[in-house]
Amino acid sequence: QKEVEQDPGPLSVPEGAIVSLNCTYSNSAFQYFMWYRQYSRKGPELLMYTYSSGNKEDGRFTAQVDKSSKYISLFIRDSQPSDSATYLCAMRGGGSYIPTFGRGTSLIVHP
Amino acid sequence: GAVVSQHPSRVICKSGTSVKIECRSLDFQATTMFWYRQFPKQSLMLMATSNEGSKATYEQGVEKDKFLINHASLTLSTLTVTSAHPEDSSFYICSARTRTGKLGEQYFGPGTRLTVT
Repeated sequence: QKEVEQDPGPLSVPEGAIVSLNCTYSNSAFQYFMWYRQYSRKGPELLMYTYSSGNKEDGRFTAQVDKSSKYISLFIRDSQPSDSATYLCAMRGGGSYIPTFGRGTSLIVHP
Repeated sequence: GAVVSQHPSRVICKSGTSVKIECRSLDFQATTMFWYRQFPKQSLMLMATSNEGSKATYEQGVEKDKFLINHASLTLSTLTVTSAHPEDSSFYICSARTRTGKLGEQYFGPGTRLTVT
């Protein structure tokens, strides 16, 4: 079992839909949780960053962490074609500053 | 803020030659820089971690003599792929970790696509 599991997709949704992206993990030492967006042939861009459990909102994006279930989510409201990208979850903890990445979920928002 | 650049963005080289990729943090000093490799539709594979002025720490299975990393300053790290072969063709991405801000998370460069013919 990998430390971080993420469905690669692709996930295809119509414009305006609410998107839910998820990761599960097995290492209970993880405390810091990140979501990165990566456009094709570009480097990842840090989107959201949360510490421990709870929710964090930034514009159309909401990150949720449920440490008891070892499950994190990223919600995108009113999705746009420009949101089409690969979304990678990442997490770290246990004294390490090196994150473990999921393999990424490919999101396609069609007009 | 927190901009990381990479040069070149694309490079094509012949088998047996060496290629150098530069990674710069443009508006901050990076405590640590990381080098990743990414295959199509795959996640990031950490190759090595480097701190300014000290030797890089390579991940298991990464040949340190093949992938030479030099972290010369707080804003510059280079990756040299020596005696490149077609199987080294990949997307190489660097990232830099800030000393402060956002609890020290990584900021990624735009990546370098290496093709070895």
